[in-house]
Amino acid sequence: AQSVTQLGSHVSVSEGALVLLRCNYSSSVPPYLFWYVQYPNQGLQLLLKYTSAATLVKGINGFEAEFKKSETSFHLTKPSAHMSDAAEYFCAVIPTGANSKLTFGKGITLSVRP
Amino acid sequence: EPEVTQTPSHQVTQMGQEVILRCVPISNHLYFYWYRQILGQKVEFLVSFYNNEISEKSEIFDDQFSVERPDGSNFTLKIRSTKLEDSAMYFCASSEGTSTEQFFGPGTRLTVL
Repeated sequence: AQSVTQLGSHVSVSEGALVLLRCNYSSSVPPYLFWYVQYPNQGLQLLLKYTSAATLVKGINGFEAEFKKSETSFHLTKPSAHMSDAAEYFCAVIPTGANSKLTFGKGITLSVRP
Repeated sequence: EPEVTQTPSHQVTQMGQEVILRCVPISNHLYFYWYRQILGQKVEFLVSFYNNEISEKSEIFDDQFSVERPDGSNFTLKIRSTKLEDSAMYFCASSEGTSTEQFFGPGTRLTVL
């Protein structure tokens, strides 16, 4: 079964520092990949998605992610963290050509220090 | 901008009671989903629904659960006899297609006492 691994549960960065949130998937065939963000007491909002087009995907709020097939990774980055980026981030996958069920990673909490 | 809405935002119920969680998906979407998130755990798929029938369900979605699209706009999740372990945040989502973006509602927090 398809799975998603997000290492660590909490990342803390200083405002203005690089944000790097890691995501690895388990699949021999590249799936569709998504990053969702959940702000406190809110639902899930799509940050960006990879659907077998460009390997470098740009999303909202200055985030981007690079699909690397050789590493089965889809890490999320942002060059300069802002206080408003503090939230929980989920990587998720849908197997290519398969059903539409999203399989989520366990999520990672991003804290931004002033 | 169109959005998925869910009601209520918080539901408290006694163990053994029936609950119905309601969702209004985005109007031109054809695929509908329920997910849940137990506190501190990952978001888990429950069920997907297309063309007025279940297209896939997880092992969590047992006989106590049912879904319905009673009219052209609502999509409901019913839990027949709630258990303590059903306490979770329940998210509804909808999408245009099977591999396109799923838009999530704000969730219903279900607390079973």
